[in-house]
Amino acid sequence: DIVMTQSPDSLAVSLGERATISCKSSQSVLYNSNKRNFVSWYHQKPGQPPKLLIYWASTRQPGVPERFSGGESGTDFTLTINSLQPEDVGVYYCQQYLSTPWTFGQGTKVEIK
Amino acid sequence: EVRLVESGGGLIQPGRSLRLACAASGFTFEDHAMHWVRQRPGKGLEWVSGITWGSGEKEYADSVEGRFTISRDNAKNSLYLQMNSLRPEDTALYYCARDNTVAVAGPIDHWGQGTLVIVSS
Repeated sequence: DIVMTQSPDSLAVSLGERATISCKSSQSVLYNSNKRNFVSWYHQKPGQPPKLLIYWASTRQPGVPERFSGGESGTDFTLTINSLQPEDVGVYYCQQYLSTPWTFGQGTKVEIK
Repeated sequence: EVRLVESGGGLIQPGRSLRLACAASGFTFEDHAMHWVRQRPGKGLEWVSGITWGSGEKEYADSVEGRFTISRDNAKNSLYLQMNSLRPEDTALYYCARDNTVAVAGPIDHWGQGTLVIVSS
């Protein structure tokens, strides 16, 4: 199974500042046919289901604010939230969907400092 | 508007069976693969199972392989999860989720609100 490891487990950021979450896959999640990394990012607020933010490692889902961006380098992936807003608190998960079983990172809790 | 509404959860004794259902609306159901993802209380997300648009392929997590069966009825816009030989560690909120593609090829772009399954004597 592909293991997705996120860091940090939690972070506190001031409103308007940048938050960066890292995710590392235990093996390549690159689909050779289209040269895309099959990695997605989700945001889950308390008591709500997850919401898709980013797919193919760096493609923003329609309707997601531009302050969210995804980065990729080999098996290292990042989610950056520029200018953190109050509604951005919650838990963020990375996920690989290249091969089953699909696997998620353990989650990163983002709070306001 | 895409809607996924799960039902069928509840309190069940270990070793018994339960069938979850998911009613889909607001999109062409047969154009999408579908998944079940669960979340144990206070824990992270765990993919459970996925099924392609025409039920040609079904995939399972190792933890449920041989005990759970995913199925769908495109005529009824419904997804199901038959859960047998339930264990306490199956206690979780079970989400119905839509794949962005017809295959189990992701990503998941819509989620239901979930149905809670509690396995306890």
